[in-house]
Amino acid sequence: GAGVSQTPSNKVTEKGKYVELRCDPISGHTALYWYRQSLGQGPEFLIYFQGTGAADDSGLPNDRFFAVRPEGSVSTLKIQRTERGDSAVYLCASSLGGQGTYNEQFFGPGTRLTVL
Amino acid sequence: GQNIDQPTEMTATEGAIVQINCTYQTSGFNGLFWYQQHAGEAPTFLSYNVLDGLEEKGRFSSFLSRSKGYSYLLLKELQMKDSASYLCAVTDSNYQLIWGAGTKLIIKP
Repeated sequence: GAGVSQTPSNKVTEKGKYVELRCDPISGHTALYWYRQSLGQGPEFLIYFQGTGAADDSGLPNDRFFAVRPEGSVSTLKIQRTERGDSAVYLCASSLGGQGTYNEQFFGPGTRLTVL
Repeated sequence: GQNIDQPTEMTATEGAIVQINCTYQTSGFNGLFWYQQHAGEAPTFLSYNVLDGLEEKGRFSSFLSRSKGYSYLLLKELQMKDSASYLCAVTDSNYQLIWGAGTKLIIKP
């Protein structure tokens, strides 16, 4: 597609539920990043994929968070047993090259997650 | 630890010039980005500096001094549509992008 797309745009869930957030990167971009952003803050790094593998998952806050990119394109961020503190905008970005190269990142519109 | 500092909020007048500063302390340096983010929207790329000096792109310019750990974004001929948050981000030695909290710029007529 022309840009990075994310679905859903908004997700409201109850505490303890499981959610999946989807990211479709720009075609041909090998690198994919997940961030979360709270109001008035910069993006907080979660995980970085180079191709199908998670090259850096040091930003995942705990084992309730998991992400996959099975075919090196679309990625899904999965959150188990959601907590109110997980409420944030989850941003996905892709870049043509990965870490170690000039890596201008192109962002999707984000998914606003609200945990009640 | 790694740290990016930028002012929380700035106000400027339409047609004027504003300079948004960013100082950083990171483990290594492999480039500095400026992104613009309108409220409720995703960040969009503005500029990239990896060498010292000034990069000019239309109404926007970005400056870098690696020895001082300092950058600024200069916006000229301000327009109302420039009201947004401006995010400074540094690529560290592991090529991870470290983000500042952003500077909210308010433009008044």
